[in-house]
This record gives sequence, structure tokens and C-alpha cells, in this order.
Amino acid sequence: QKEVEQNSGPLSVPEGAIASLNCTYSDRGSQSFFWYRQYSGKSPELIMFIYSNGDKEDGRFTAQLNKASQYVSLLIRDSQPSDSATYLCAVTPNSGGYQKVTFGTGTKLQVIP
Amino acid sequence: ETGVTQTPRHLVMGMTNKKSLKCEQHLGHNAMYWYKQSAKKPLELMFVYNFKEQTENNSVPSRFSPECPNSSHLFLHLHTLQPEDSALYLCASSQTGTGNSPLHFGNGTRLTVT
Repeated sequence: QKEVEQNSGPLSVPEGAIASLNCTYSDRGSQSFFWYRQYSGKSPELIMFIYSNGDKEDGRFTAQLNKASQYVSLLIRDSQPSDSATYLCAVTPNSGGYQKVTFGTGTKLQVIP
Repeated sequence: ETGVTQTPRHLVMGMTNKKSLKCEQHLGHNAMYWYKQSAKKPLELMFVYNFKEQTENNSVPSRFSPECPNSSHLFLHLHTLQPEDSALYLCASSQTGTGNSPLHFGNGTRLTVT
């Protein structure tokens, strides 16, 4: 079983729509959850992090965490063509130590103008 | 310079060559990482250095040899690589001891082994 699982996509959404990216993880002890965006040929950059159950909003982005279901998602409102990228879900069991982060394979998002 | 800087950006080497990848972070972080990213695979953690001490070696073949002279610099020495080692090698840093600090990545080195 994959430790962090994401649908590879591509997920195609029209410009202005809501894009919903999902991730499940296998380690119930996971403490911290991150979403990274990676443009083709570039390195990953942090979009959001979430530690507690519920929703966390930052601009057009909302991260949702449900530890009971071992599920974390990222919603992108008013999707723009510039949001087209691969979104990596990352999970770590640590709290305060170095980050032994486990990444998913990523979901490729295509926003159609 | 700010952030995490990696050099070179691209590297082509033969299987008998020896080369080194360099990473420097200007964020004041105390942990540094090497990740390997291959097509259609998740990012693979290779090595972790925490306060210059190696704290993780994720079953990486000995043809990859890391070096961390201080908390700001990290090297990955390469020798007798195989074609399947061709990948994007990413350096990252984070701040430990202050909660769950996210990883900050460099731009990566695209390595091709011929």
C-alpha cells in the first residue's frame, strides 16, 4: 500500500471553476500535512500546510484535513491557467524534529482557458 | 542571495565520471536534505543532515556520498553512476525544533547519466 496516495490525473477544470485535489495517507500517526505546487521543470514550492482537523483558508486555497478518515484535500477556487501544475501532497509524522516527509506522486492539474 | 541555491542546474556525466552537486541555503535553517525525483515516482528522500550530523540514509547506494561541512552547505558526491540514476536531484532545508517547519527546495540539478 502506498503511504501517500494521490490520483495522478490529469485533472482538467475550466477557468473560474473550483479544483478539488485529494490525498489519502496510511500512517495514522501523521501530524503535519503539506501541499506543494510544482511547475514543469521547476522545484516544489509550498502552497499550504495544515495540522488540525478542519479547514484552513489562504486566499483562493483551502486545505481540508480529516484525520479519522486519513484524508487531506486542497481546493482551489476561481482556478486560473497559471494554477496548471502538479500538486504534491506531503505528510510527516514528526512534531518539532527534522522532517521525514513522505510525498505522494502528485496530481497534475490543467486549467482550461 | 536568498533561499536554497543548487549548482549545477544540469549535469551530463558518463558512468565512470566523478562529479559533485552543491547546495547552499541562506535561510538560517539547521536541517538539509537530498531528494531524488524520477518520472512518475514520488519524491524519494535520500539523506538528511540535522545540525551537520547525518540522521537519515534511506538505503541509498554507496555511489552517492553526501557531505555536510556546516549547516548551510550540502554536497552530493557522485561516482560510477548508472543510467537509472538519471533524475532531478533536489536539495531542501528546514528549521527544526520550532514545530513543523516546511521544506524549502532549491531549483534542482537535472542529472543525465550516459
